[in-house]
Amino acid sequence: GENVEQHPSTLSVQEGDSAVIKCTYSDSASNYFPWYKQELGKGPQLIIDIRSNVGEKKDQRIAVTLNKTAKHFSLHITETQPEDSAVYFCAASGGSYIPTFGRGTSLIVHP
Amino acid sequence: EAQVTQNPRYLITVTGKKLTVTCSQNMNHEYMSWYRQDPGLGLRQIYYSMNVEATDKGDVPEGYKVSRKEKRNFPLILESPSPNQTSLYFCASSLSPHGNQPQHFGDGTRLSIL
Repeated sequence: GENVEQHPSTLSVQEGDSAVIKCTYSDSASNYFPWYKQELGKGPQLIIDIRSNVGEKKDQRIAVTLNKTAKHFSLHITETQPEDSAVYFCAASGGSYIPTFGRGTSLIVHP
Repeated sequence: EAQVTQNPRYLITVTGKKLTVTCSQNMNHEYMSWYRQDPGLGLRQIYYSMNVEATDKGDVPEGYKVSRKEKRNFPLILESPSPNQTSLYFCASSLSPHGNQPQHFGDGTRLSIL
């Protein structure tokens, strides 16, 4: 089955810096790669996603890149703000009906 | 407002006492699923359902049951809960059953089994 590795597990940055979270996947049949943000006491919420026919997607301060050959995808957050502090999950799916999630990255943005 | 609603949000109970966590979505989604979230392990899928009367096991189904009698509801049943089922549980729904659509999550149910 699919295996998704996510790094780092914790990321601490200063407000205004950029943050990058990386994920690798194993199943070459996976074709959908969403990123979720989980705030304290809430369920994960989709923030951006990318499909295998696209290499990069951007939405304001957030961007995701996908390298199908290397089987890795990354989340980039620019000009970080304290409200970006949360746990971020990557996921991969499409090869089966069961999406596989990474173990999560706790992002801390210091004011 | 489009949402996935779970109840209860918090529950403390004892080993062996049957419990049900309800989940309801108002988006007419076909696909629904249950996850448990444990520290350092991320989100692991327990069961999923591709439509009414169609359920299947996820990665960690042992000790759980589900049913999908109506499109909007997908309850999670623990018939004989044990302490290793203490966890944070999330219900999710998605437009498509094919794994390539975003999932909408509820706000979670924190279960403590003593």
